[in-house]
Amino acid sequence: AQSVTQPDIHITVSEGASLELRCNYSYGATPYLFWYVQSPGQGLQLLLKYFSGDTLVQGIKGFEAEFKRSQSSFNLRKPSVHWSDAAEYFCAVGARAGNMLTFGGGTRLMVKP
Amino acid sequence: DAGVTQSPTHLIKTRGQQVTLRCSPKSGHDTVSWYQQALGQGPQFIFQYYEEEERQRGNFPDRFSGHQFPNYSSELNVNALLLGDSALYLCASSPKIAASYNEQFFGPGTRLTVL
Repeated sequence: AQSVTQPDIHITVSEGASLELRCNYSYGATPYLFWYVQSPGQGLQLLLKYFSGDTLVQGIKGFEAEFKRSQSSFNLRKPSVHWSDAAEYFCAVGARAGNMLTFGGGTRLMVKP
Repeated sequence: DAGVTQSPTHLIKTRGQQVTLRCSPKSGHDTVSWYQQALGQGPQFIFQYYEEEERQRGNFPDRFSGHQFPNYSSELNVNALLLGDSALYLCASSPKIAASYNEQFFGPGTRLTVL
């Protein structure tokens, strides 16, 4: 069975500081990996996805993530955080694109001015 | 191009009642998935519909049922509501299930409160 762990429930960073959100997955084959962002009371917006190829993927809003098979990780990074990045971030794994997604518990990001 | 739409936005029911939630997929999409997101948790997969049939199901009881119509829209029905069914219900659509390299697009959700 596939599973996702996001070890950090809450993270607070100062505006302009760098950010890294951790994601560890468990899946037997090559996973399809996703990062979604959810603002309060909203649905999920896809930030980026990894299917194959280059292990460093670029997404929207200046986010990037790196797939590390040896560590079963897919951490999300941003070099300089903006106040508007405050939201809940979810990592998800799928058996293949379009198939059911298994989500982590989420990381709530707060940004200090 | 309208994205995934869901109705209603909010809903309040009492225990034991039944509820129907609706979802219209993004244009060009024919696969619809439903997720339940309890407060403070990540979304959990309920089931997926393609070609008007349930193709996959998560670990949810039979009280949760669904339907997909010929125009690809979908309904989620929950019978005998429990307090624990209170959650945000998210609908996601994607292109043909057999295609590769596609993603799921999520709607804004329906907030269900069971009293």
